[in-house]
Amino acid sequence: SQQGEEDPQALSIQEGENATMNCSYKTSINNLQWYRQNSGRGLVHLILIRSNEREKHSGRLRVTLDTSKKSSSLLITASRAADTASYFCAAKETSGSRLTFGEGTQLTVNP
Amino acid sequence: DGGITQSPKYLFRKEGQNVTLSCEQNLNHDAMYWYRQDPGQGLRLIYYSQIVNDFQKGDIAEGYSVSREKKESFPLTVTSAQKNPTAFYLCASSILPGQANTEAFFGQGTRLTVV
Repeated sequence: SQQGEEDPQALSIQEGENATMNCSYKTSINNLQWYRQNSGRGLVHLILIRSNEREKHSGRLRVTLDTSKKSSSLLITASRAADTASYFCAAKETSGSRLTFGEGTQLTVNP
Repeated sequence: DGGITQSPKYLFRKEGQNVTLSCEQNLNHDAMYWYRQDPGQGLRLIYYSQIVNDFQKGDIAEGYSVSREKKESFPLTVTSAQKNPTAFYLCASSILPGQANTEAFFGQGTRLTVV
């Protein structure tokens, strides 16, 4: 079964605006990871938040984690056209090294 | 350069044939993964391996097989039993399972088309 369901499925914004994507998961996790994928390419790791953390920042990225609600959000501030891509969350389960991805959010940033 | 390499980038297969996708990493990672991605969809886990000579089924293992004879290699065979194999296949690796808070590194993918 799939973990990491994300919403929205697609998001279109103007350059300079902020973009927020949400993710929900089902089981106990060690951490929650966010990845970016440009069309037809592999995934690139963006940021990882551990299960005992609530918020983490990296440059223009801000991630939150609510383990009681089994949810996470990714905020991209001051978006740029180059941020246009698909964004995926991935849940690293507590048992073993299984890493399960969600359906992703397609972000389009218009110049 | 360190990294994870998938080959080939594009692969065409006739119906009824088996085909093997290559995944090699020189990152000294213990865990390796295979995912399938359909257009506009997320990644679905096919198989994963935590150690040489051991692997576990993911969510959609039917019609696929893997081997892990060497730490750096995790080939995926798409068999004729896979009813709809046309998809984008992604391989990934990560450090020891015990070091849980580390990210996965991905290859650039293999696009398989059944003709």
